[in-house]
Formats: sequence, C-alpha cells, structure tokens
Amino acid sequence: DAGITQSPRHKVTETGTPVTLRCHQTENHRYMYWYRQDPGHGLRLIHYSYGVKDTDKGEVSDGYSVSRSKTEDFLLTLESATSSQTSVYFCAISDKGARDYGYTFGSGTRLTVV
Amino acid sequence: GESVGLHLPTLSVQEGDNSIINCAYSNSASDYFIWYKQESGKGPQFIIDIRSNMDKRQGQRVTVLLNKTVKHLSLQIAATQPGDSAVYFCAENGAGNQFYFGTGTSLTVIP
Repeated sequence: DAGITQSPRHKVTETGTPVTLRCHQTENHRYMYWYRQDPGHGLRLIHYSYGVKDTDKGEVSDGYSVSRSKTEDFLLTLESATSSQTSVYFCAISDKGARDYGYTFGSGTRLTVV
Repeated sequence: GESVGLHLPTLSVQEGDNSIINCAYSNSASDYFIWYKQESGKGPQFIIDIRSNMDKRQGQRVTVLLNKTVKHLSLQIAATQPGDSAVYFCAENGAGNQFYFGTGTSLTVIP
C-alpha cells in the first residue's frame, strides 16, 4: 500500500525467540496501530501510538511491546514468541485517529511460530 | 468493549446481481462508520464511509445505509463483478478514538 510498508512480509520463528516487526510510513501521520487478524476474531488491536514515544495498549497487548522513536517507524516486538502468536499482523496509520477518513493499512506480515 | 457483528459470514451472488452485506453495531455513541474490503493476502482497503448525521451515502457502484434506530449498517454493491469477491467488514469509531472492526463477510461472485 502506498505510504505504508511492513517488513518482513513472512516470517517463521521458533517458540521462545524474540521477533520484531517493522511498520514504516511516509505519510507523516500521527497515529499508528498494530493489529492481529485471526479467523473468527477479525482485527484486534495490540498497541497503538499517538505520537513519537507515545504509545498505549490495545485489547490483546499481553506478550507484545512497541516502540516509536521516529514519526515514520512503529516497531512491534514479541519478546518470547509463542504458538498463540501465530497470526497475520497489520499495521495501520491515521492522520486524525477515528474522527476522519479511517485507517490506511499495510499489506500485513504473516508470522508463524513453530 | 465494542461489539461489531455481521449477520451473514458468507454470501454468494451471481455476477451482475446486487449484493447486500449487513452489519450490526452496539455503541449508540459511534458517529462514524467505514466499510472495508480485504482481498486474499492483502490489507483492508477503504471502500466508503458514512457519518451518523446521514442515512445513506453513495459511491461508485456502492451504497452504504445507516439505520441508527436499530444500530444497523449495510453495504450494497450494484452489478457485482468477479473482482468484488473479497471479505467485507464494517468498522465503527467507538471509545478511545479507535475503530472497532467486525469479523467480516466473505463475498463470492459466481461467474
């Protein structure tokens, strides 16, 4: 998607290893979000950021941490990956939160924890 | 938390027919709603939005209807095409300046 890039696109990792997913935007949007998408659950918010160094937890934040040291980058870290964290992870950006225009989503990262 | 649901998890339509996808939302304070389309292997894409001060909004081949009385949202796709095959889900702007997403309806267009 134009203006937002997720890396890697696919990753297989072993249980107990740390994993970091990266979201990079070129839109200079204030808000950035990490979601996971699982069958039957839809999109669930993990963490979000409302500015550099300003982050907050979503509904499924346990086992995840985030960092945002620059406007353009939002990192999601699984400190010790578990099989329950196998999922598709989406980053989203927004200029005004949920007030206008909605979110723009990245293409996703498919993470498999074995 | 917020609850956004869909009446039908799957929908199959003949090419050229109209499609209607429904969504129920629970937060009467939500004032902005969006429909997203998600194709296989891709991220969700914005289709159309509507604010709570409107009942209907039309785009190119798509129309969104909002019934605040029963907290119901629908997406109508006219003359459905094979390229419309995807998962569609609605989102409402609930508490905390966030969107809350439904689980989605899978639309299959039969040629």
